[in-house]
Amino acid sequence: SQTIHQWPATLVQPVGSPLSLECTVEGTSNPNLYWYRQAAGRGLQLLFYSVGIGQISSEVPQNLSASRPQDRQFILSSKKLLLSDSGFYLCAHRLAGVSETQYFGPGTRLLVL
Amino acid sequence: EDQVTQSPEALRLQEGESSSLNCSYTVSGLRGLFWYRQDPGKGPEFLFTLYSAGEEKEKERLKATLTKKESFLHITAPKPEDSATYLCAVQGGGSEKLVFGKGTKLTVNP
Repeated sequence: SQTIHQWPATLVQPVGSPLSLECTVEGTSNPNLYWYRQAAGRGLQLLFYSVGIGQISSEVPQNLSASRPQDRQFILSSKKLLLSDSGFYLCAHRLAGVSETQYFGPGTRLLVL
Repeated sequence: EDQVTQSPEALRLQEGESSSLNCSYTVSGLRGLFWYRQDPGKGPEFLFTLYSAGEEKEKERLKATLTKKESFLHITAPKPEDSATYLCAVQGGGSEKLVFGKGTKLTVNP
């Protein structure tokens, strides 16, 4: 079975500081990978997705970027955090060609002060 | 634009009191409708995927149904451990994006 890891679990960062969140998946090869953000009082919003190494699609313009340096690793970054970047960041994976279902990781809680 | 509306926003039940949660949606070419359960501070846990109108799926006390405009999550004889936020999402044809509703927060009192 597949397992998805995210770290850190919680992060408190000052405005203007950089950000790096990591997501890794075990037990599968060539998964589709996704970054979502869940803000208070709002539904989950897709930020980025990747169908392969080095392939990134952006869903919304924002202060964030994503990279996929390895098959089972997905990284969310920012050069300068804004207050509005606070939220719960969730990584998900899907086995393309096998299932339409996306499975989520445990999430990272980010608070920008 | 794909949209999902969940109702009610919050629901309180007594243990054993059955009820239903609603998910109304508009989507271009439904590729799938998904139900997740989310506990506080945790990632969503997958429950069901439904692909076409008339489809039904069951798991323990939960049963999900789908029509062309809405989905219901029926909870039969709920227990306190069923307390969570239940999320509904749709995926349109040709899209990798899940569009989520804001969820229904379910509280089951013993």
